[in-house]
Amino acid sequence: ETGVTQTPRHLVMGMTNKKSLKCEQHLGHNAMYWYKQSAKKPLELMFVYSLEERVENNSVPSRFSPECPNSSHLFLHLHTLQPEDSALYLCASSQRVNSYNEQFFGPGTRLTVL
Amino acid sequence: KQEVTQIPAALSVPEGENLVLNCSFTDSAIYNLQWFRQDPGKGLTSLLLIQSSQREQTSGRLNASLDKSSGRSTLYIAASQPGDSATYLCAAKRVQTGANNLFFGTGTRLTVIP
Repeated sequence: ETGVTQTPRHLVMGMTNKKSLKCEQHLGHNAMYWYKQSAKKPLELMFVYSLEERVENNSVPSRFSPECPNSSHLFLHLHTLQPEDSALYLCASSQRVNSYNEQFFGPGTRLTVL
Repeated sequence: KQEVTQIPAALSVPEGENLVLNCSFTDSAIYNLQWFRQDPGKGLTSLLLIQSSQREQTSGRLNASLDKSSGRSTLYIAASQPGDSATYLCAAKRVQTGANNLFFGTGTRLTVIP
């Protein structure tokens, strides 16, 4: 596999469920990102990890919990979500966290909360 | 805060037409501007990246221009094809410290009619 991969590609969950989204990058990058894309809104940055340390938490509710066990893997743990959390969740990676490095995106996970 | 706007939100053209997509940004202190393509329910595919010191970039039938002083970028698609149908997003990379430096527009949904 090359690039940035995400699993699952589609997820339907109830408001009381607990699930996790997984992202893996095969580019040797040191920074990883979670974005949320809702209908008719720009992509919103949620979390940024640099060398497995969280460097940005963009006022995201605590029902979203990120985890970065190593520089190649990033998880987003979900619990007690709301229907308005339904969206496309995109993962990205870059060599480093700064203006000079291009971000590469995964295919996304389409999440539906019932 | 950087705000990125894309007009129109949707565009339909007959096959073979040349077309221009517009992107404007409020803060000219950008490092680069990037155009992405997004197919329905999918991730982002990078099309062209223009550094702030450049005026344009070309790839095949695509040409992107950048005018930092006026806060505008355009994506020109020549001889459009039905396979070009997708949502096109622009993103401005802001020159700043910190991880939250990539700002997206809401996209233009393009439909090329056979």
